[in-house]
Amino acid sequence: EAGVTQSPTHLIKTRGQQATLRCSPISGHTSVYWYQQALGLGLQFLLWYDEGEERNRGNFPPRFSGRQFPNYSSELNVNALELEDSALYLCASSLGSHRETQYFGPGTRLLVL
Amino acid sequence: AQSVAQPEDQVNVAEGNPLTVKCTYSVSGNPYLFWYVQYPNRGLQFLLKYITGDNLVKGSYGFEAEFNKSQTSFHLKKPSALVSDSALYFCAVRVGGNNRLAFGKGNQVVVIP
Repeated sequence: EAGVTQSPTHLIKTRGQQATLRCSPISGHTSVYWYQQALGLGLQFLLWYDEGEERNRGNFPPRFSGRQFPNYSSELNVNALELEDSALYLCASSLGSHRETQYFGPGTRLLVL
Repeated sequence: AQSVAQPEDQVNVAEGNPLTVKCTYSVSGNPYLFWYVQYPNRGLQFLLKYITGDNLVKGSYGFEAEFNKSQTSFHLKKPSALVSDSALYFCAVRVGGNNRLAFGKGNQVVVIP
């Protein structure tokens, strides 16, 4: 069974541009989560989608947004990129929301120049 | 607020010796605790979780963790460390009804041949 997949693996953007990151969950999983792993800041929760709806967001500005499609795949959009947005963005999926384990993809490394 | 703490930055252990990675938690209510491992330039791999039941939880790759309510700890253990266990280990707690994971800062484990 395929795990969580993310694309692209690497992304280089310049300050002010927009970035779009994509995630495909494990087959049958309906919840998708996004986390940011930045140097010195650890792993920070960004967004949680379940059944196409945004259920919760972390302490990030509104220029971080996303959506979940009917096939449960998800996009993370980051507008007006800043240098400090450079990080590894990890997507995870779970079967549902309650008590379920989150399984992570390999991540997209975003570099903002 | 639900949180976990990993008090050590790095754990050095000789190959074949027991490995312990420490984690303490602070939660209201019943804790849902997780351990993940991250290899260089990779996503997080799930090792094990504690939801309810036995205090000793067995997981992947020979790892286990002991839930101790009185000490609010959830230490990860492996009886005999391998060089391939060298990686970054994260303890995490599910935060309330939001289903987000709050992670510790991570512990770098170095297994010396």
